[in-house]
Amino acid sequence: KQEVTQIPAALSVPEGENLVLNCSFTDSAIYNLQWFRQDPGKGLTSLLLIQSSQREQTSGRLNASLDKSSGRSTLYIAASQPGDSATYLCAVRGYGQNFVFGPGTRLSVLP
Amino acid sequence: EAGVTQFPSHSVIEKGQTVTLRCDPISGHDNLYWYRRVMGKEIKFLLHFVKESKQDESGMPNNRFLAERTGGTYSTLKVQPAELEDSGVYFCASSRYRDGETQYFGPGTRLLVL
Repeated sequence: KQEVTQIPAALSVPEGENLVLNCSFTDSAIYNLQWFRQDPGKGLTSLLLIQSSQREQTSGRLNASLDKSSGRSTLYIAASQPGDSATYLCAVRGYGQNFVFGPGTRLSVLP
Repeated sequence: EAGVTQFPSHSVIEKGQTVTLRCDPISGHDNLYWYRRVMGKEIKFLLHFVKESKQDESGMPNNRFLAERTGGTYSTLKVQPAELEDSGVYFCASSRYRDGETQYFGPGTRLLVL
């Protein structure tokens, strides 16, 4: 059974810092992995989708990497801004299966 | 292009009552998913439709939950009778293809059972 964990649970940084959010999963036989952000009281917004054959994906100031063998993915946010404050969720999908979500990392970027 | 919409945004009901949640996926998306987040827990998969057919309902907690997707368009999730532990946020998501594609989530329905 796939289990997904995210470290840290919460993170507070000053504006402008580069930061890394971590996602770990127990079963390396994954199909893809997706990073989402959730703003308070809102739905989930997809940030990056990494297929199992890929090592990383980039979108603007965001870069997500995937290391299946070690069961890890990282989300790198460059030059953080207060607007980046949200909860970041990692979700992993196995072959023929549905998403398993991690508990999320709550990020606060202080002006 | 309109996103995934859900109705109502909030619902407060008493234990034993019935509630029906609705999800309208993005037009042209054959795949529709329901998820739930209960207080303090991770988001959990409930079920998956491909058009009007239930592809996977392994996450449905019990037979008090009934999901339908008439004509392969919008979907409803009925809880009857509601229990206290059903409180949480119910999310709907859709995608054009099942695999290898981003799922687009709605804003969720916040259900509180008193």
